Amino acid sequence: DARVTQTPRHKVTEMGQEVTMRCQPILGHNTVFWYRQTMMQGLELLAYFRNRAPLDDSGMPKDRFSAEMPDATLATLKIQPSEPRDSAVYFCASGSESNTGELFFGEGSRLTVL
Amino acid sequence: QKEVEQNSGPLSVPEGAIASLNCTYSDRGSQSFFWYRQYSGKSPELIMFIYSNGDKEDGRFTAQLNKASQYVSLLIRDSQPSDSATYLCAVNMFRAGSYQLTFGKGTKLSVIP
Repeated sequence: DARVTQTPRHKVTEMGQEVTMRCQPILGHNTVFWYRQTMMQGLELLAYFRNRAPLDDSGMPKDRFSAEMPDATLATLKIQPSEPRDSAVYFCASGSESNTGELFFGEGSRLTVL
Repeated sequence: QKEVEQNSGPLSVPEGAIASLNCTYSDRGSQSFFWYRQYSGKSPELIMFIYSNGDKEDGRFTAQLNKASQYVSLLIRDSQPSDSATYLCAVNMFRAGSYQLTFGKGTKLSVIP
């Protein structure tokens, strides 16, 4: 049963702490996306990788967020330092370059920054 | 103007009725359109896609596209309580040298038994 795996599922941390979220895309998918979902803004694209290369991270606050894909089986999203306004659900999604609209989402990481 | 707009709802319909969900988009060059369903506390999942003007039917679901009006809709016939969810309209837009999905904020649908 192929699926996108995200860890942690839930994270509560204090302001100023570093947060790292991890994602294992579906084997064979060559595109990986990080989205953030809040009630106010909906789903916002933070970063996009194709064949492990970052294509677009314009939606990501550069001063505190970073996204990497060290190998084909792991994508990471890091926040340092975290702030209360970062509280949201962070989704990783993977797909195929040949069908860019069909994304498979992980279960999400719910982050609460106190 | 937001790139993909949806009525946030909630939209309440009685069981067995037709639910109509609407979406407009700003990028006239967009070519492909998608509907994702998200149950409360869960992740989005793709239920329909449409590329050409007109209607596309899949079971109880019909997607409608009018590129001239920049309008996409999703009709759910014979609505069931299990259809209660948030429906996200997504449009493939060319950004930063590649096609990327841009999502609307979603319409929450409640089907009343």
